[in-house]
Amino acid sequence: EDQVTQSPEALRLQEGESSSLNCSYTVSGLRGLFWYRQDPGKGPEFLFTLYSAGEEKEKERLKATLTKKESFLHITAPKPEDSATYLCAVQAFDTGRRALTFGSGTRLQVQP
Amino acid sequence: NAGVTQTPKFQVLKTGQSMTLQCAQDMNHNSMYWYRQDPGMGLRLIYYSASEGTTDKGEVPNGYNVSRLNKREFSLRLESAAPSQTSVYFCASSENRDYGYTFGSGTRLTVV
Repeated sequence: EDQVTQSPEALRLQEGESSSLNCSYTVSGLRGLFWYRQDPGKGPEFLFTLYSAGEEKEKERLKATLTKKESFLHITAPKPEDSATYLCAVQAFDTGRRALTFGSGTRLQVQP
Repeated sequence: NAGVTQTPKFQVLKTGQSMTLQCAQDMNHNSMYWYRQDPGMGLRLIYYSASEGTTDKGEVPNGYNVSRLNKREFSLRLESAAPSQTSVYFCASSENRDYGYTFGSGTRLTVV
């Protein structure tokens, strides 16, 4: 059974204070690892897909990295508008339906 | 450019009532999904449809039925609502070769 564990559950940062969110996963064979951002009252918004260990992707102040057991979402010099819940999800090769298994998320609050 | 549209946005049901949640996408995606999101539990897959005319169960299908009406529309039906089905329901779609999902804005359902 695929499992995704995200930590911490909640994180409060000061504006400009860089940090990282963790996503640990177990999956029979990783097809892809996904990061989403979710704002209150809205659906998740796709950020990144990572396919293999060592891969990195960047978007503005966010950088996602992947190892064989975990992924990190690094937030550099965050701004208040980066406040949101960040979700991690995995997709396995043997899942013919292409469904994703999600973690419970990290709630990030960036204070001015 | 609507993406994924869900209706209604909010609904209150009494125990035992039935209702259908509607979802439509305008991106010509083949795959569509229904997830529920509960506090501390992340997104859990209810049903999915890999293509028009096909549906399959996800992690938590009990108490639900689905219909893939055509390529655009994928509905979720609660035949006899129970308080345990109080949740936020998200519909999503994806292209077979593009693993990122596009989510709708959700339906917040309360069963009393």
